[in-house]
Amino acid sequence: DQQVKQNSPSLSVQEGRISILNCDYTNSMFDYFLWYKKYPAEGPTFLISISSIKDKNEDGRFTVFLNKSAKHLSLHIVPSQPGDSAVYFCAASDDSNYQLIWGAGTKLIIKP
Amino acid sequence: EAGVAQSPRYKIIEKRQSVAFWCNPISGHATLYWYQQILGQGPKLLIQFQNNGVVDDSQLPKDRFSAERLKGVDSTLKIQPAKLEDSAVYLCASSYGESETQYFGPGTRLLVL
Repeated sequence: DQQVKQNSPSLSVQEGRISILNCDYTNSMFDYFLWYKKYPAEGPTFLISISSIKDKNEDGRFTVFLNKSAKHLSLHIVPSQPGDSAVYFCAASDDSNYQLIWGAGTKLIIKP
Repeated sequence: EAGVAQSPRYKIIEKRQSVAFWCNPISGHATLYWYQQILGQGPKLLIQFQNNGVVDDSQLPKDRFSAERLKGVDSTLKIQPAKLEDSAVYLCASSYGESETQYFGPGTRLLVL
């Protein structure tokens, strides 16, 4: 039973355009959501997070949107750069144990 | 600040052999995690330590996997005996506390033949 789903295994975007990565969850107890970025042969690195009390969080070129009623969050990258090519993981937790439940990841490819 | 260190980076073994992975977390991080990441999936938590105590090992296959963090710093994860389905990347992560951001090491890629 996948509680966090990233339905797009891969996404290809032109350099300079907007990249939108999507994530859906099923557990209504989740109250904290994170995006991690992973390059090949490296561990995931934290990118941005959002608490369930917010619907938007922005950090430079990265913005995460949360729609609690739809149990959906998205990561927007504007403008997309070649260095953004990586696998992006969505993860969620609730305040009962803070354990992260991860999606399967979306491979983002930025085309020149 | 040094990151999370893991060794070895790669390991190839035959099924039924044993293998051990080592992790050195970021200095001062009380919480340490071991994850298993199978190709095409997200990381799955195997065990979580708070200092040298186990917080959660509910997803650790205890018949073959064991982990320890004796002095509350370094940790080792052992598989004995290994099965083909144990082929995966084993990630170690650490954080100041269990609600804080997790920082990951580069992982150990295990191939069981």
